[in-house]
Amino acid sequence: QKEVEQDPGPLSVPEGAIVSLNCTYSNSAFQYFMWYRQYSRKGPELLMYTYSSGNKEDGRFTAQVDKSSKYISLFIRDSQPSDSATYLCAMSKAAGNKLTFGGGTRVLVKP
Amino acid sequence: GAVVSQHPSRVICKSGTSVKIECRSLDFQATTMFWYRQFPKQSLMLMATSNEGSKATYEQGVEKDKFLINHASLTLSTLTVTSAHPEDSSFYICSASSGQGAGNYGYTFGSGTRLTVV
Repeated sequence: QKEVEQDPGPLSVPEGAIVSLNCTYSNSAFQYFMWYRQYSRKGPELLMYTYSSGNKEDGRFTAQVDKSSKYISLFIRDSQPSDSATYLCAMSKAAGNKLTFGGGTRVLVKP
Repeated sequence: GAVVSQHPSRVICKSGTSVKIECRSLDFQATTMFWYRQFPKQSLMLMATSNEGSKATYEQGVEKDKFLINHASLTLSTLTVTSAHPEDSSFYICSASSGQGAGNYGYTFGSGTRLTVV
């Protein structure tokens, strides 16, 4: 069993819809939680990060962490075709420690 | 914001030759750098972790004599693929960390290097 599980998709939504992404993990030692967006043949770009449990909002993006359930989510409101990419969750046990990634979810936003 | 520059973005080399990939943190000091490998439609696989001035720590199954990592300064790390073979063809990505939390300077990725060995 992988430490971090993420549905590979693809997830196809119409433009303007809410995109809902999630990851589950098994190691309770994870403290930092991140979401990255990766376009084809590019490096990952940090979208959101959260320390421990809670919610965080930044523009159209909302990240949620529920440590009791070992479950994290990312919501993208008013999705745009430019949001079409692969979204990777990642987490670490301490600041500066190596990241453990989920497998990534491919998202397609159709105009 | 934090910027990590990775070069080259694309390289084609002949089987048996060596290739060096550079990863530079442009506006912060990277105490730790990570090297990943990514196959098509798959997630990032950590190859090794390097701390400035120390030997790199390799993940299980990664040949340290084949993938040489040098982190001689707080702004530069290099990955050298020695005696490359076609099975080494992949997308290699570096990441730099300031070790000061998961914010903008926590983990910043380079743009990746696509290596093709012919």
